[in-house]
Amino acid sequence: AQSVTQLDSHVSVSEGTPVLLRCNYSSSYSPSLFWYVQHPNKGLQLLLKYTSAATLVKGINGFEAEFKKSETSFHLTKPSAHMSDAAEYFCVVSDRDSGTYKYIFGTGTRLKVLA
Amino acid sequence: NAGVTQTPKFQVLKTGQSMTLQCAQDMNHEYMSWYRQDPGMGLRLIHYSVGAGITDQGEVPNGYNVSRSTTEDFPLRLLSAAPSQTSVYFCASSPDRSFYYEQYFGPGTRLTVT
Repeated sequence: AQSVTQLDSHVSVSEGTPVLLRCNYSSSYSPSLFWYVQHPNKGLQLLLKYTSAATLVKGINGFEAEFKKSETSFHLTKPSAHMSDAAEYFCVVSDRDSGTYKYIFGTGTRLKVLA
Repeated sequence: NAGVTQTPKFQVLKTGQSMTLQCAQDMNHEYMSWYRQDPGMGLRLIHYSVGAGITDQGEVPNGYNVSRSTTEDFPLRLLSAAPSQTSVYFCASSPDRSFYYEQYFGPGTRLTVT
C-alpha cells in the first residue's frame, strides 16, 4: 500500500538561506510524485511532479526535487528562500493499488521564512 | 479557462441542516474528486468520479453524497450536517484517473457547523 511521510511538520529558515522539505514514500509499483504549495486561505498549486522521466525535477519559483528510488525519498529544495515562500507544502504519491489508482497526501510541512 | 470553481467560499450551518457545495470545471476533465482538509491531517478523499454517471467512495464518505450528471459539474451534498464536518472542502479535477497528470484544485469552501 502507498503512503507518504513528511518528516517535518514545521520548518523555519531565514530569508536567503536554503530550503529543504523532506518527503519519504512507500509504493508497490512505479509511483508518480508531486509537490503542492498552499498559501494561507488559498487552494493548492502544483510546484512540480515526477512521472518516471528525469529524476531531478525542476518546478516553479526556483524549487526542485530529486527522486531517489533507493532511499524512497522525494525531498523539495530551493537554494534561497524568499518571504513569499512562506506557506504549507504537501508531498503526494500516486500509484496503483489492487487495480485502483490512488492519490495519497502527506500531512504537510509549514514553512516559515524569517526576515 | 476558469479552471475549477467552487461555491460558496464560506458557509455556516446548524447541526442537522443540509446543503450542497458546488464544483465545476471547464477543462473537460474525466476525473473529479472532493477532499476535506483538517489541521495536521493533509487532504482526505471523500468521493470521486471517473466520468459522468460514475461515482465512488473515497476514504471518508460517511455523511456525504455526490452525483455527476455532466462532465463539468460535481456537487457534494451534506445530508444532515454535524460539527465533525467543520472543515475546508476542496474540489479537484484531472484529465484521467491515472494521475500521470496532476490534479487541479479549486479555491476551497470553508464550512463551519455549529
